Amino acid sequence: EDKVVQSPLSLVVHEGDTVTLNCSYEVTNFRSLLWYKQEKKAPTFLFMLTSSGIEKKSGRLSSILDKKELFSILNITATQTGDSAVYLCAVVRDDMRFGAGTRLTVKP
Amino acid sequence: EAQVTQNPRYLITVTGKKLTVTCSQNMNHEYMSWYRQDPGLGLRQIYYSMNVEVTDKGDVPEGYKVSRKEKRNFPLILESPSPNQTSLYFCASSTRPGNTEAFFGQGTRLTVV
Repeated sequence: EDKVVQSPLSLVVHEGDTVTLNCSYEVTNFRSLLWYKQEKKAPTFLFMLTSSGIEKKSGRLSSILDKKELFSILNITATQTGDSAVYLCAVVRDDMRFGAGTRLTVKP
Repeated sequence: EAQVTQNPRYLITVTGKKLTVTCSQNMNHEYMSWYRQDPGLGLRQIYYSMNVEVTDKGDVPEGYKVSRKEKRNFPLILESPSPNQTSLYFCASSTRPGNTEAFFGQGTRLTVV
C-alpha cells in the first residue's frame, strides 16, 4: 500500500537547537516530494525535491532527498519561536499523498 | 496577485442539505485538487483534476463530487452532507503535478450538525 510516514509526530525544542524532520515513503510513479509549513491555516511551500542528493537551502532550512532509500529530511538550524508549526511532506504522483505531519514547538 | 480563492471560509450546515464549496485560481494552472484535514490525519486528497473535464478520485472521495468545466474553477459538492464530513477543507492548484509547488487556498471550515 502506498504511504508517506513522517517522524517524529511531535517535537519540542528550545530556541537555538537544530532539528531534523523525517519523511519516508513507499509509492509508485514518484514525481517529486514537497515540504510545507502550516501555521494557522493554509500550508506554505518550503521545498520541492525531485533528484537524490541535491540539497535545497533557504536560510536556516535545508532539505535533501534520497530516492534509493525512499526518504527525505528537513533540517532547521538555530531554531526560533517563529519556526513553531506543523511541517508536512507530500509525495507527488498524479495525485498527492501527504504524511500526517510533524508538530514542532520551539520554546524561548 | 496569484491566488487560490475558496468560498465560503466558514460554513455550518445541517445533515442532508446539499452544499457547494467554490475554488477559483487565477494562475492558469492545469492541476487542481481538494483535501480535507482532520486532527492526526494530515491532509487527505479527495479529488484531483489534471485539466478541464478530467477528474480523478483521491484517497477519500466518498460523499463528494467535483466538476471541472472551466480551467480556473473546481467546485466541491456535498450532495448529502453528514457529520463525519465536518472538517477543514483546502483547495490547491499547480501547473503539472510534480513540476512545481501546489498553491493552497485559505481553507473552508465546515461543520455538519
